[in-house]
Formats: sequence, structure tokens, C-alpha cells
Amino acid sequence: AQSVAQPEDQVNVAEGNPLTVKCTYSVSGNPYLFWYVQYPNRGLQFLLKYITGDNLVKGSYGFEAEFNKSQTSFHLKKPSALVSDSALYFCAVSIGGATNKLIFGTGTLLAVQP
Amino acid sequence: DTAVSQTPKYLVTQMGNDKSIKCEQNLGHDTMYWYKQDSKKFLKIMFSYNNKELIINETVPNRFSPKSPDKAHLNLHINSLELGDSAVYFCASSRDRVGYTFGSGTRLTVV
Repeated sequence: AQSVAQPEDQVNVAEGNPLTVKCTYSVSGNPYLFWYVQYPNRGLQFLLKYITGDNLVKGSYGFEAEFNKSQTSFHLKKPSALVSDSALYFCAVSIGGATNKLIFGTGTLLAVQP
Repeated sequence: DTAVSQTPKYLVTQMGNDKSIKCEQNLGHDTMYWYKQDSKKFLKIMFSYNNKELIINETVPNRFSPKSPDKAHLNLHINSLELGDSAVYFCASSRDRVGYTFGSGTRLTVV
């Protein structure tokens, strides 16, 4: 079955430290991978995506993600966390075919302490 | 200009009522979706329409009926609302697999 896993329910990091939010996927074919962020009582905001090409993808707000085909991972990273980065982060994969539906991971709550 | 707009933003209603949520996109996308986010924040697809044609119906109760009058609109009608229907419902649209744009969500509370 096609799936996305976010193994950590919550990630805690101190402001100014680097952060990583993990994501692994299990799909057949070429995955299109996405990261979205959800602030409290808000909608889903697009951060970045990997379609093809360079494995390191840069996105909004200083975030980046690295596509690793051998490890089937697409971890989200930021060199220096801000308190304002505290939010719920979702990894997602588009499986294409007839449906083009987006399958989401279970979400990781990022808490950045001042 | 809002790319994907949903109305209403909040909806509080009693069990047994029928309600609708509207969604419109002005991006020219061919495909529109409804997602449900439950109390644990899990996001799951409910329906997908491509050019007004139903593509995905993910084991959603018959009480939920999507309607797409044209490819820019995908409305969600819910009959006989139950407590378990309380959730946040997100509309989204996409062109192929390249990019998905989500609305700001409709928080439905059934009392």
C-alpha cells in the first residue's frame, strides 16, 4: 500500500538550533513529495516539493528538504529554528495515476523553545 | 485574490441536520478534492473530481455527497449530521500532481 510515515509525533528544539522533521514514504513509481505546515486554527500552507532533479529542495521560510531515494526519505530541515516555526508539519506524497491524490503522513508537531 | 475559498469558515449545527460547504477555486485547476482532518489532526481524502467527474470516493458514508457544477466549484453536502462528523474539512485543487492548493478549512461542529 502507498503510504507516508512521520515517525515522530513531536519534535522539540531550542531556538537557534538546527531542526529536522523526518518523513519516509512507500510508493511504487516516482513519488512527488511535499511538505505542508499548519499553524493553529489555520489551513495548510505549502512549504516545498520534490518532483525531479536536485535532491536538495529549498522552500519557504528557510526550510529545505533532502530527497533520498535509497532510504525512501524526505526529511525537512532548517539550519536555525525560530519560535515562530512552531506548528504542525505534514509530509505528503502524490501517487499519480488516475487519481493524483495526495496521501498525508500523520503530522509532526514542532515545538521551538525560546 | 483567494486561490481556493471555502465557506463557511465555521459551522455549528445540531445532529440530524443537513448542511453544505462550498468551495471555489480560481486557479484554473482541473481537479478538486475534499479532505477531512479529524480530532487527531489526521488528514484523509474523501473525494476527488476531475473536470466535474467523480474520480475518488474513499469509503465515505452515503450521507456525504459532493457536487461539482463546474470545474471551478466542488461543494460538499452532508445529510443527517452525526457527532462523529465534527472535523475540519479542507477543499483543495491541483493541476496534475505538480501542485496542490488548499482552502483555509471549514470547522464543522455537530452538537
